[in-house]
Amino acid sequence: DIQMTQSPSSLSVSLGDNVTFTCEASENIYGFLAWYQQKLGKAPKLLIYGATNLEDGVPTRFSGSGSWTNYSLTISSLEPEDIATYYCQNNHVYPLTFGSGTKLEIK
Amino acid sequence: EVQLVETGGGLVQPGRSLKLSCVASGFTFSSYWMYWIRQAPGKGLEWVSSINTDGGSTYYPDSVKGRFTISRDNAENTVYLQMNSLRSEDTATYYCAKDPIPTGIPLYVMDAWGQGASVTVSS
Repeated sequence: DIQMTQSPSSLSVSLGDNVTFTCEASENIYGFLAWYQQKLGKAPKLLIYGATNLEDGVPTRFSGSGSWTNYSLTISSLEPEDIATYYCQNNHVYPLTFGSGTKLEIK
Repeated sequence: EVQLVETGGGLVQPGRSLKLSCVASGFTFSSYWMYWIRQAPGKGLEWVSSINTDGGSTYYPDSVKGRFTISRDNAENTVYLQMNSLRSEDTATYYCAKDPIPTGIPLYVMDAWGQGASVTVSS
């Protein structure tokens, strides 16, 4: 199984900050990487697929990058509504696997 | 508007069975792969099963293989998850979700999610 390792597990940030968190796959997933945002008590929401493609309706302050085993999600100029937990997902092979998440908190 | 509504959750004893349903609306249900994903309390996301458009192909992780069965009724716009031999570690919120790609090769990501159904396995 492909293991997805996210770091850090939590991040204390200030509004307006640029934030980057990372996701490392245990083997090459050829860019088949998605990012989700989950707010407290809500279902996850797809943000990015194919490592870099923004889902319709997602603000352009979100961007994804990476290849092979290393991927990152960047939020430019953090807004209050961005406070959430973010998960990456391998969609290259079964079993589909998620990272353990990065939780954003306000300083 | 795409809507997915899960029902059937509840409290069940270890070893017993439970069947979740997810009714879809707002899209051509029969054209999309569907998924179940779960989240244990305070934990991350775990993929539980996938089903193709006609129900002829299904996939599971080892953690539920042989105990859980996904199925669908395209006439009723509904996907099901039959859960047998339930264990305490199956306690979670169960979400149904859809793939973004109609027909053809799925993307294996989830672009719409239900609100979740809570399953608690405890004596």
